[in-house]
Amino acid sequence: DQQVKQNSPSLSVQEGRISILNCDYTNSMFDYFLWYKKYPAEGPTFLISISSIKDKNEDGRFTVFLNKSAKHLSLHIVPSQPGDSAVYFCAASFSGAGSYQLTFGKGTKLSVIP
Amino acid sequence: DTGVSQDPRHKITKRGQNVTFRCDPISEHNRLYWYRQTLGQGPEFLTYFQNEAQLEKSRLLSDRFSAERPKGSFSTLEIQRTEQGDSAMYLCASSLVSGRDSPLHFGNGTRLTVT
Repeated sequence: DQQVKQNSPSLSVQEGRISILNCDYTNSMFDYFLWYKKYPAEGPTFLISISSIKDKNEDGRFTVFLNKSAKHLSLHIVPSQPGDSAVYFCAASFSGAGSYQLTFGKGTKLSVIP
Repeated sequence: DTGVSQDPRHKITKRGQNVTFRCDPISEHNRLYWYRQTLGQGPEFLTYFQNEAQLEKSRLLSDRFSAERPKGSFSTLEIQRTEQGDSAMYLCASSLVSGRDSPLHFGNGTRLTVT
C-alpha cells in the first residue's frame, strides 16, 4: 500500500509561472514531511521540510503547505525557472519510528519551459 | 567535496554472483541509511545504522542482503546470489542523530544491473 502518493507523474509549466506539486498521505502517524529534488544520475537533494505543527514553511522561491485534516501537502515554486526541471519526491516520517526513516512517493517530473 | 560518496557508480553482474557496494557518509554524520529505488518508484528504505549499530531493517532486506558499518564510518551493502529483481539504484544517505533538524543527505547511488 502506498502511504505517500503523488498522483501526477508529470507537470509542465512556463518559465516565470507558478509550479504546484501535490502529495497525499494515508498514515496519520506521519508528523514530518519533506520535499526532495532529483536530477538524472544524481541522488535526491533535500529541498524543504515542514513539521505537522505548522501549516506553511517558506524558503525563498519554495513554499510547502500542509493540510493535516485532508492529509495533503503541496510544494509551490514561484517563479519557476528552467533549472527547476527535475523529479520532485514527497517524503514523510514519524517521530515514533526513531530511525527517522522516510517513506517516499513515486515522484512528479517537473518540466519548466523557457 | 564533503558529500555522501558511493562506489561504484555502476555495476553489471550476472545472476547468481555476489556484489558489494560501499558508502562513505558525511564525516560528522552518525546515522547512515540504505535505500533502493526501482524505475518509476520513489526510494524505499532498506536499513539504517546509528554509529556502528544496525538498528532497523526493512522486510525488503532479504537474507541475501547484508550491511555493515565497521567502526561507525563507511558502510558496505552486500548482495549474495543476485537475482534479476535486484536490479535497481542503491542509495546511501547520512544524517545527524538529531533527526528533525538534519534531513537525509543522499549520495549519487550505485546502479546495479543483473543480467
